[in-house]
Amino acid sequence: QKEVEQNSGPLSVPEGAIASLNCTYSDRGSQSFFWYRQYSGKSPELIMFIYSNGDKEDGRFTAQLNKASQYVSLLIRDSQPSDSATYLCAVPTGNTPLVFGKGTRLSVIA
Amino acid sequence: EAQVTQNPRYLITVTGKKLTVTCSQNMNHEYMSWYRQDPGLGLRQIYYSMNVEVTDKGDVPEGYKVSRKEKRNFPLILESPSPNQTSLYFCASSPHLAEIYNEQFFGPGTRLTVL
Repeated sequence: QKEVEQNSGPLSVPEGAIASLNCTYSDRGSQSFFWYRQYSGKSPELIMFIYSNGDKEDGRFTAQLNKASQYVSLLIRDSQPSDSATYLCAVPTGNTPLVFGKGTRLSVIA
Repeated sequence: EAQVTQNPRYLITVTGKKLTVTCSQNMNHEYMSWYRQDPGLGLRQIYYSMNVEVTDKGDVPEGYKVSRKEKRNFPLILESPSPNQTSLYFCASSPHLAEIYNEQFFGPGTRLTVL
């Protein structure tokens, strides 16, 4: 069973702080990794994609990948109340384009 | 506009009354999938299709049927809905399994309540 594990949270951070979200995956053959953001009752939307070891930055978001440790993380700098959402880690495995973790709920406190 | 559409967006029905939730994408994607989302359980895959006339079971297929007669459409059929199928349903599509970048595009969701 291919698995993607995330801490369900909630993770609470004060406005302006750095939020750190973590994800581990079981399939060593996975090559690409996705972070989706989902607001309550809405559909998931892609915010970051990474396939190389190291860091990838896009605005306030940084994805970090360590394939040896099978670990991918998402950092949100200068967190805003509008960042409050559930963040889903997703990894393609086998015949399934993406296997999703259960998500981490982030709450940014103003 | 490139999109995945689902209908209906909201549905309240009664146990045993057959229903169909439609899903359509206009991006010529080969892969389509249905998920249900329940509190604390995350997104769980119901069925997926890698191309026309090719469908396969996901993690929670019991009580559901699908068909893929055309590339753009992937309806979800509940032949005899039960209250445990009350959930938020998402359809998603993706361009091609072989690509390293295989973003899934989601529809807006269908909130189903079975009484």
